[in-house]
Order: sequence, then C-alpha cells, then structure tokens
Amino acid sequence: ETGVTQSPTHLIKTRGQQVTLRCSSQSGHNTVSWYQQALGQGPQFIFQYYREEENGRGNFPPRFSGLQFPNYSSELNVNALELDDSALYLCASSSFSGSSYEQFFGPGTRLTVL
Amino acid sequence: AQRVTQPEKLLSVFKGAPVELKCNYSYSGSPELFWYVQYSRQRLQLLLRHISRESIKGFTADLNKGETSFHLKKPFAQEEDSAMYYCALKKAGNMLTFGGGTRLMVKP
Repeated sequence: ETGVTQSPTHLIKTRGQQVTLRCSSQSGHNTVSWYQQALGQGPQFIFQYYREEENGRGNFPPRFSGLQFPNYSSELNVNALELDDSALYLCASSSFSGSSYEQFFGPGTRLTVL
Repeated sequence: AQRVTQPEKLLSVFKGAPVELKCNYSYSGSPELFWYVQYSRQRLQLLLRHISRESIKGFTADLNKGETSFHLKKPFAQEEDSAMYYCALKKAGNMLTFGGGTRLMVKP
C-alpha cells in the first residue's frame, strides 16, 4: 500500500503565472482535500473532492480550482499567482464516511512566487 | 464560524516533566476534534481523536464542551515527543479547520 504522493516537491513561479500541483491519493481512498500552509501557520482548507466533484470549499478565491480524476488522483490549479500564494500546499486523502475518519497527508509542494 | 485557537506557539519542557498543549475551539454544532502531529522531516499525521478516548504514545485529550477546549496532555514528556502539534476541528463534509500549531521542545 502506497501513501499519498505529491509533485513537484518544490516550484518557483513569478507573479501572474499559473501553476498546477498534483496529488496521488492513498490506495482505497476516494476523497482528496487540499490545504495551504503559510510559514508559521496551520494548514488552511482550500477545497475537497469526492468522486470527481467538489465537495466543499474554504475561503479561497475562484482562481484556486481543482480536479479529481477517476483514479481519485487530483490537481490543484492556481491562476494569476500572487506573492501571498507562496506556501506549502498539502494534499490529504481519506475514505469518505459518515463516521469519524482519518486524513492521510502527503509531504507537500513548496510553492514560491517571486 | 468555526475556529481553533492554540495560544502557545512554543512550549519548552524538560524530559520527564508534564506537558499540556492547549486548544480552544468555537463551533455551533457538535464538535469532533483531533490532534495531528508533525515530527521533524516527516509528514503531518493523526495522533488522536476525541471520540476514540484513547491514549496514544502516552498522550490523552479530553473534550470539555463547557470550556470549549480539547487540551493535549502527557504526564511525562520524552525527547522524542518534540514536534509540531496541531489541533483540528472537523465540520460537515469531513473538512478540517486547524489551529496555528504549537511547537513542543523537550529538553534532556
């Protein structure tokens, strides 16, 4: 059983550019959540995908968008990058259930916007 | 709106001393709370959840609805407990709201 993987590990972009981050969920998981973690802060929820549809969204603008594929892997896209988008982006997978559950996190992608 | 507050950014204790990492929350519904931990150069992982009422690595946490708190405790800290600890609140749809985190340093 493989854990959650994310690519790339690091990324440097300039303001105004677009970026795509990728996540492969853990085997057997059908739900992927994305978080933004700025330096010195806790992770902030961006959105969640369940069975290829957005299942909830945090307080992030529409230029943050995502996709989930039939194999439950996922992408996070950010358009018109701003300096404040510099952060660690975490992906977490889980098995959607009405009862308590656990999210399994990937190692993150460090995005730097210059 | 739901909110999780961890008032201490850094907590430093000596090995063998008791540890309490504070977490307060605000949530209008029935809360479900978790503690996540991140050891150096490792990914974020679940430490414990309140509904399990379990002790993991000697840590326990009790949900106090009257005080809206979910403090993490351990009677005798070990050096390997040094890590970042995050308190998290789950809302509908299995989405987590995290606190700002507390760095625990256990000195020899």
